[in-house]
Amino acid sequence: KNQVEQSPQSLIILEGKNCTLQCNYTVSPFSNLRWYKQDTGRGPVSLTIMTFSENTKSNGRYTATLDADTKQSSLHITASQLSDSASYICVVSDSEGRGGGADGLTFGKGTHLIIQP
Amino acid sequence: DTAVSQTPKYLVTQMGNDKSIKCEQNLGHDTMYWYKQDSKKFLKIMFSYNNKELIINETVPNRFSPKSPDKAHLNLHINSLELGDSAVYFCASSQPGTWTDTQYFGPGTRLTVL
Repeated sequence: KNQVEQSPQSLIILEGKNCTLQCNYTVSPFSNLRWYKQDTGRGPVSLTIMTFSENTKSNGRYTATLDADTKQSSLHITASQLSDSASYICVVSDSEGRGGGADGLTFGKGTHLIIQP
Repeated sequence: DTAVSQTPKYLVTQMGNDKSIKCEQNLGHDTMYWYKQDSKKFLKIMFSYNNKELIINETVPNRFSPKSPDKAHLNLHINSLELGDSAVYFCASSQPGTWTDTQYFGPGTRLTVL
C-alpha cells in the first residue's frame, strides 16, 4: 500500500530561524513528489515539484531535497517569517504522467508549522 | 483573476438536506477534482473529471454526485446530508499529460452539518 509519512506533525519555531520538514514515502512506481503550502482557511498552493532525477530544488526561501534511493524528501525553510505559518503537505505521485490526472496521488497528513515572533 | 473559484465558502445546513457546491476554473485545464479535508486536515480525493468525463470515483457514498456541464465547471451535489459529511471540500484543476501536472486548488467550502 502506498504511504506518505510526514514529520514532525507540528513544529513551533521563532521568526528568523531555519527549519526542516521531513517526508518519507513508500510509493511505487515513483513519478514525482510535490510540496504544498496550505494557509489556514485556504486551499493548498504548490511550492515545488520534483522528479526522480532532481535532488534539490529551490523556490525562494524554500529548498526541497529528494533522495529517490531512500525514498525521502525534505523541505528546508530559511530565515522563517511569520507568513510561513501554515501546513506543509507532501504528495507523491505514482502516475506515469500520461494524462492520468489525480489517480496515483498519495497525500501526507502534513506538518503544521507555527512561526512565533 | 481567480484561477479556481468555489461557492459558497461556508455552508451550514441540517441533516437530511440536499446541497450543492459549485466550482469553476479559468485556467483552461482539462482535469478537475473534488477533495475532502477532514478535521484532521487529511486531504482525500473524491472525484476526478477529465474533459467532462469521470475518471476517478473513490469510495464515496452515492449520495455525492459530481456534475461537469463543461470542462471549466465541476459541481458537487450532496443528497441526504449526514453529520459525517462535515468537512472542507476543495475543488482543484490541473493540465495532465505532463510529468508534473500541478494542481491548483480553490479556496475551499467549509460544510457544517447540524
